[in-house]
Amino acid sequence: GAVVSQHPSWVICKSGTSVKIECRSLDFQATTMFWYRQFPKQSLMLMATSNEGSKATYEQGVEKDKFLINHASLTLSTLTVTSAHPEDSSFYICSASPLDSEQYFGPGTRLTVT
Amino acid sequence: AQSVTQLGSHVSVSEGALVLLRCNYSSSVPPYLFWYVQYPNQGLQLLLKYTSAATLVKGINGFEAEFKKSETSFHLTKPSAHMSDAAEYFCAVSLYTGANSKLTFGKGITLSVRP
Repeated sequence: GAVVSQHPSWVICKSGTSVKIECRSLDFQATTMFWYRQFPKQSLMLMATSNEGSKATYEQGVEKDKFLINHASLTLSTLTVTSAHPEDSSFYICSASPLDSEQYFGPGTRLTVT
Repeated sequence: AQSVTQLGSHVSVSEGALVLLRCNYSSSVPPYLFWYVQYPNQGLQLLLKYTSAATLVKGINGFEAEFKKSETSFHLTKPSAHMSDAAEYFCAVSLYTGANSKLTFGKGITLSVRP
């Protein structure tokens, strides 16, 4: 149980375009989902916390207009990187939490912006 | 605020040798502590967690960690390393448990296992 999926697993896009990453909890309802960013050989940095039906809470320094997060249902959250630039290239990982439980992590999405 | 320090970036052990990965934390309140493992191009898998119950926590794959408040440490150990243990290991701290609890991660340690 407690499986989280991400789609796509990797994506290449051109500079200036937008790309959407999906995070799904497959066998539980996630009241909260988190989005992390990980650069090579570095730790995970929390970008934002999203609760179903409400606006996401972004960490300091994260541009909310650039990284759009939508948590429209209890099993799906999306991260849209708008007007992507090469410096947005990174590994994006989501996690999901059932009520009163720990975070379960997705397998990650590798984004490369050319 | 809370933080995690993982000294060193790389640990190399021989197969069958003891694995010791160090983690020290800083927290203004009694913390919840976690160890995660990450294999290349994959997400994180929880190895074990401390949530203020027993100070010696046993996890999956033969790993365990001991919470030492006096030393503000939560080091991860395994008596005998396997080749399959080679991965990135992250220590993390949270101020509380539950769905909205934010995790603060250390920078991670790469574990290599020599044949």
